[in-house]
Amino acid sequence: AQTVTQSQPEMSVQEAETVTLSCTYDTSESDYYLFWYKQPPSRQMILVIRQEAYKQQNATENRFSVNFQKAAKSFSLKISDSQLGDAAMYFCAYRSRAGDDYKLSFGAGTTVTVRA
Amino acid sequence: NAGVMQNPRHLVRRRGQEARLRCSPMKGHSHVYWYRQLPEEGLKFMVYLQKENIIDESGMPKERFSAEFPKEGPSILRIQQVVRGDSAAYFCASSLRGDRVSYEQYFGPGTRLTVT
Repeated sequence: AQTVTQSQPEMSVQEAETVTLSCTYDTSESDYYLFWYKQPPSRQMILVIRQEAYKQQNATENRFSVNFQKAAKSFSLKISDSQLGDAAMYFCAYRSRAGDDYKLSFGAGTTVTVRA
Repeated sequence: NAGVMQNPRHLVRRRGQEARLRCSPMKGHSHVYWYRQLPEEGLKFMVYLQKENIIDESGMPKERFSAEFPKEGPSILRIQQVVRGDSAAYFCASSLRGDRVSYEQYFGPGTRLTVT
């Protein structure tokens, strides 16, 4: 199984500022997907952004963007103009695109707090 | 279009009892995944099912745990003779398809199981 590592258990950011969450992963595959999920206190898992490994262009979704470094196996999430509603646990996840492996492999998560 | 529904949201069981967790996928989705989230950890894959078939149960504990997704009705995750270590949040996700194209997995709100 692929290993996904999030080395920052907690991050704090001032409202309207920018925060970057790090994620590294271990794989021998060349074709895969990477995701960032948000889990607010309600515990509902919400897909924030998705990156396909064969695409060199970094994905963006409004205030959320990623820095995908395939050679370094790094996939960081940048939250710009942070809002109070961004406070949540954020999980990085990997999914193979090969064969019959459909499961998501998650990191341990990073808790983001937003200071007003 | 209703999302993935899980019930109950909270379940308390005494040690030795059985726990039955239900998941109704999104309308039109025929692929269901179960994940478990232990306290302070990320989600861990348990099992992947299609209607009437278990496709991948590599993440399921060998004993006491079983899952099904019948032709009619919700998917059921069953835990027999629960122990305190089974206390966790159990998430169900569904997707339209499960092939190499990245059809998103949409998550339900989870069931929090507490074993006393």
